[in-house]
Amino acid sequence: RKEVEQDPGPFNVPEGATVAFNCTYSNSASQSFFWYRQDCRKEPKLLMSVYSSGNEDGRFTAQLNRASQYISLLIRDSKLSDSATYLCVVNYNFNKFYFGSGTKLNVKP
Amino acid sequence: EAQVTQNPRYLITVTGKKLTVTCSQNMNHEYMSWYRQDPGLGLRQIYYSMNVEVTDKGDVPEGYKVSRKEKRNFPLILESPSPNQTSLYFCASRPSDRGDTGELFFGEGSRLTVL
Repeated sequence: RKEVEQDPGPFNVPEGATVAFNCTYSNSASQSFFWYRQDCRKEPKLLMSVYSSGNEDGRFTAQLNRASQYISLLIRDSKLSDSATYLCVVNYNFNKFYFGSGTKLNVKP
Repeated sequence: EAQVTQNPRYLITVTGKKLTVTCSQNMNHEYMSWYRQDPGLGLRQIYYSMNVEVTDKGDVPEGYKVSRKEKRNFPLILESPSPNQTSLYFCASRPSDRGDTGELFFGEGSRLTVL
């Protein structure tokens, strides 16, 4: 069983749409949670950390549900530049990071 | 400029020929780690290091070695590469302050093909 599961997509949406990604994790002792963005053939870059209280950064909102072991990312008013693969990442015991296989987003004009 | 630098970026080699992928960071980070990325599997941790001379296995350490003799460098060694080690490799670093955001800083990746 994978530590972190994500829908691979692709999600094909028009500009301006709202899109939501979800992921689940298996280790209830996981401590920190993140969304990373990866452009084609490039290195992953941190998009945002995810907190139990929910957090927002501009058009991006992340939520964590520890009871259900579920993480979400909501993107509002999608831009062409949002096209990328979004990686759900879980940190366990500070040293170990587990990555989902990513959800691909294509934003169309 | 703060960065993580990997070399080589691209390499084609043959089975059994020892190779080293270098990783260097200029951010004075204590923590460094190596990942491999394969289609459908996401990034998987190979080894990590909490500080100089402190290394530990990740989830897929078989066939790899690492060393951490200096804080800035964390080379990945493939003593006898095999075709199943064909992959995209990323090195990453982060500070060890547990109060930080958890951001991993990645190198640009090294695409390795073993024939």
